[in-house]
Amino acid sequence: QKEVEQDPGPLSVPEGAIVSLNCTYSNSAFQYFMWYRQYSRKGPELLMYTYSSGNKEDGRFTAQVDKSSKYISLFIRDSQPSDSATYLCAMSLMTTDSWGKLQFGAGTQVVVTP
Amino acid sequence: GAVVSQHPSRVICKSGTSVKIECRSLDFQATTMFWYRQFPKQSLMLMATSNEGSKATYEQGVEKDKFLINHASLTLSTLTVTSAHPEDSSFYICSARSERGGTDTQYFGPGTRLTVL
Repeated sequence: QKEVEQDPGPLSVPEGAIVSLNCTYSNSAFQYFMWYRQYSRKGPELLMYTYSSGNKEDGRFTAQVDKSSKYISLFIRDSQPSDSATYLCAMSLMTTDSWGKLQFGAGTQVVVTP
Repeated sequence: GAVVSQHPSRVICKSGTSVKIECRSLDFQATTMFWYRQFPKQSLMLMATSNEGSKATYEQGVEKDKFLINHASLTLSTLTVTSAHPEDSSFYICSARSERGGTDTQYFGPGTRLTVL
């Protein structure tokens, strides 16, 4: 079983809809949670960063962390065709021997159709 | 946000040659940088952790003699693929660890696409 599970999609939504993405994880020691967006043939771009349970909002993006359920989500409101990309969740342990290392989900491909 | 650059963005080389890829943090200092490899439609695979002024730490299964990493300064890490073979063809991405603004995360470079003929 992978430490971080993420549905690879593709997830297709019409323009203006809410995109809902999620990841589950097995290691309760994960402390920091991130969402990255990756366009084809480009490096990942950091979208959201959280370290506590609850919601965090930034513009059209909302990140949600539920540590008790080991479940994180990313919501994109008013989706645009330019949001079409692969979204990767990532998390880190921040222990001495894994300091700074990220565990990535497989990435979910999102397609927003005009 | 923090900016990380990579050079070159694309390289094609002959089998048996060596290729050097540079990773630079442009507006912050990074004591730690990471090197990843990504195959088409797959997630990132961590290859090694590069610490400024010390030897890199390689993940299990990654040949340290084949993938030489040097982190000579707080803003530059290099990955050299030695005696490259076609199976080394991949998308190589670096990231730099940043602790700015009370966060502790990684900012990624744009990637380098290596094709070995």
